[in-house]
Amino acid sequence: GQQVMQIPQYQHVQEGEDFTTYCNSSTTLSNIQWYKQRPGGHPVFLIQLVKSGEVKKQKRLTFQFGEAKKNSSLHITATQTTDVGTYFCAGLGTSYGKLTFGQGTILTVHP
Amino acid sequence: NAGVTQTPKFRVLKTGQSMTLLCAQDMNHEYMYWYRQDPGMGLRLIHYSVGEGTTAKGEVPDGYNVSRLKKQNFLLGLESAAPSQTSVYFCASRTGTVNSPLHFGNGTRLTVT
Repeated sequence: GQQVMQIPQYQHVQEGEDFTTYCNSSTTLSNIQWYKQRPGGHPVFLIQLVKSGEVKKQKRLTFQFGEAKKNSSLHITATQTTDVGTYFCAGLGTSYGKLTFGQGTILTVHP
Repeated sequence: NAGVTQTPKFRVLKTGQSMTLLCAQDMNHEYMYWYRQDPGMGLRLIHYSVGEGTTAKGEVPDGYNVSRLKKQNFLLGLESAAPSQTSVYFCASRTGTVNSPLHFGNGTRLTVT
């Protein structure tokens, strides 16, 4: 079945440093979505990418979707303590309605 | 709008006991999902439903059953709880549009002793 792998599992950064998490799917995706989960909270939708090679930005966050629609990345520029949390990618495959999540990357930001 | 509401928030069960987790959404969403979250494992799909009266298995369905008798409710049942089912359970819903995002409930923390 469809598998979505996400790396790294953990990332510790100093405030102001950049951060990147990567997502790879075993199959071609229809779209990919990114979510953020604050400690003790529930996942909250950030953005979705649909087109091959798509790049979207939200302030300091940059999201990319690979040309083959099998990988994606989230890059945060100049991290802040408010960026702390777990970032998940989720891929929508050919089985309509079924989103598969990556394992998530836990980001810690030291002030 | 309450969004997605999960009950209960916390529960402790003994091995072999049964329970039902309730998920209710007031957004008229077609699709509903049950995930479990364990450290280092991310969110794993247990079961999902693409409409009232229909359910399908996800990645880790064993030991769980679900029902979607009403569009707004999605129930997750554990017939005979095992310690391996200790986890945080999240319900989520979305519209039937292919690119619609998931809306999550606040989660249920279940401990099986």
